[in-house]
Amino acid sequence: GQQVMQIPQYQHVQEGEDFTTYCNSSTTLSNIQWYKQRPGGHPVFLIQLVKSGEVKKQKRLTFQFGEAKKNSSLHITATQTTDVGTYFCAGRRGSGGSNYKLTFGKGTLLTVNP
Amino acid sequence: DADVTQTPRNRITKTGKRIMLECSQTKGHDRMYWYRQDPGLGLRLIYYSFDVKDINKGEISDGYSVSRQAQAKFSLSLESAIPNQTALYFCATSDSGTANEKLFFGSGTQLSVL
Repeated sequence: GQQVMQIPQYQHVQEGEDFTTYCNSSTTLSNIQWYKQRPGGHPVFLIQLVKSGEVKKQKRLTFQFGEAKKNSSLHITATQTTDVGTYFCAGRRGSGGSNYKLTFGKGTLLTVNP
Repeated sequence: DADVTQTPRNRITKTGKRIMLECSQTKGHDRMYWYRQDPGLGLRLIYYSFDVKDINKGEISDGYSVSRQAQAKFSLSLESAIPNQTALYFCATSDSGTANEKLFFGSGTQLSVL
């Protein structure tokens, strides 16, 4: 079945440093979503990428979707303590049937030292 | 999201007991999902339903069953709980009519099977 690999599993940074998490799919994706889960909380949607090579920004967060639509990344510039949490990517293979469901990566836990 | 309500928030039970986790939503979404989260394993899909009377198995459906009693309600049952079903369970919803069809998660149910 479809696999979505996400690295690293953990990342600890000093406040102000940059952070990147990477996602790779074993199959071509129709789109990819990113979620953030704060400690003790539930996942919350951040963004969706659909187009090959797409780049989207949300303040200090930059999301990229690879040209082959099999990989994606989330980059945070100048981390803050509010960025702490687990970041998940989730890929969708197609538009119908069982391909439509999202497959989540295992997540990257980010901790920030103030 | 407060619009997706899971009950109970915490449950401790014994091996062999039957357990039901409830999920209700006021978002008017047609699609509902059950995920389990284990440390280091991310979010894994148990069952999903695209409409009332529509039930589909996810990645890890063995040992679980679901019921979609109404558009707003989706319950998860463990017929005979076992310790390796100890996990954090999330219900989620999505609207098939939206462009990105993001998932909205409930606050989760922490289940411990002794």
